[in-house]
Amino acid sequence: GENVEQHPSTLSVQEGDSAVIKCTYSDSASNYFPWYKQELGKGPQLIIDIRSNVGEKKDQRIAVTLNKTAKHFSLHITETQPEDSAVYFCAARDSSYKLIFGSGTRLLVRP
Amino acid sequence: NAGVTQTPKFQVLKTGQSMTLQCAQDMNHNSMYWYRQDPGMGLRLIYYSASEGTTDKGEVPNGYNVSRLNKREFSLRLESAAPSQTSVYFCASSEGGPGLAGASYEQYFGPGTRLTVT
Repeated sequence: GENVEQHPSTLSVQEGDSAVIKCTYSDSASNYFPWYKQELGKGPQLIIDIRSNVGEKKDQRIAVTLNKTAKHFSLHITETQPEDSAVYFCAARDSSYKLIFGSGTRLLVRP
Repeated sequence: NAGVTQTPKFQVLKTGQSMTLQCAQDMNHNSMYWYRQDPGMGLRLIYYSASEGTTDKGEVPNGYNVSRLNKREFSLRLESAAPSQTSVYFCASSEGGPGLAGASYEQYFGPGTRLTVT
């Protein structure tokens, strides 16, 4: 079955710098890759997603890139702000349409 | 719209006790899910219900049962709680899902239930 690996597990950046989180997946049939943000004490919330027929997608300060050949995808956050501090999860939708999640990245943006 | 609601928010059980976690959604979604979240392990799927009247096992179903009561509600039951079931439990829902053609597969999550089994 699908396996998703995510790194780094923790990331600390200075406010205004960029942050990059990377994920790899194992099932070449996976075709949908969402990213979720989880703030303390809350449930995960979708922030951006990408489908396998697209190489890059951008929404204001966040962007996701997908390399199908290498089976990896990344989340890029530019001009980070303290409110970006949270845990971020990547996921891949497997061939039975279930989401398989990475282990999460705790992002800390230092003011 | 409240989205996805879960009760209770917190629960402490003794080993061997039983309890049911409740989940409801008001978005008319077809599919609903139960996940558990443990430190360093992300979210793991326990059970899901692709549509009203169906339920299927996920990655970690042992020790749990579910009921899709109607389109809105999906409950998770622990018959005999064990310390290994100490976790944060999230319910989620989506319009489309496993085996279903839907307009959106985006999953919306509830606020979670923090369960401790002593």
